[in-house]
Amino acid sequence: NAGVTQTPKFRVLKTGQSMTLLCAQDMNHEYMYWYRQDPGMGLRLIHYSVGEGTTAKGEVPDGYNVSRLKKQNFLLGLESAAPSQTSVYFCASSYGGDGYTFGSGTRLTVV
Amino acid sequence: GQQVMQIPQYQHVQEGEDFTTYCNSSTTLSNIQWYKQRPGGHPVFLIQLVKSGEVKKQKRLTFQFGEAKKNSSLHITATQTTDVGTYFCAGRQSGYSTLTFGKGTMLLVSP
Repeated sequence: NAGVTQTPKFRVLKTGQSMTLLCAQDMNHEYMYWYRQDPGMGLRLIHYSVGEGTTAKGEVPDGYNVSRLKKQNFLLGLESAAPSQTSVYFCASSYGGDGYTFGSGTRLTVV
Repeated sequence: GQQVMQIPQYQHVQEGEDFTTYCNSSTTLSNIQWYKQRPGGHPVFLIQLVKSGEVKKQKRLTFQFGEAKKNSSLHITATQTTDVGTYFCAGRQSGYSTLTFGKGTMLLVSP
């Protein structure tokens, strides 16, 4: 089925470890986004991309890096995980200003 | 920066009662979108409003965009248990690539 696929779905990291979250979309969308969702905080934009090879910072970019080497993939990296990065991470994509299609999320716990 | 406020944060209704959530932006918006997130799920795009004073309906859901394009509302008539979830508004400023999400209104419907 067409959509946005996120891997992994769950992960537990120790403080200081690194990891990469993968987002893949098969809708040929130009725009892709990474959000984090914390209780009472809504959805906060981490980084986004308006096309292959481009990335930009969102509202809460510190501690994260991203890459968009291929149009269909958007990777989110945590170089040195901290407990404050415990969250649910959602990837989304869109065709220009249209509605976003979200992935099913990655639940990350940093201990 | 742009802020999007949603009220109420939480509402518990009896099945059959009506429900309304309100969204207010600190800046004029070019468009506003609404999303629904079921418990444990991911946000799902419902609708986009673009024109000043626009009203759109989807079955029992009515969406409005204010004349000044700074506020919006979602009204659900005769709620059902399937309406349970968190409803988010998300606004886009003119010239910006990304949406700013409100913190959402959590709706609980008792049978």
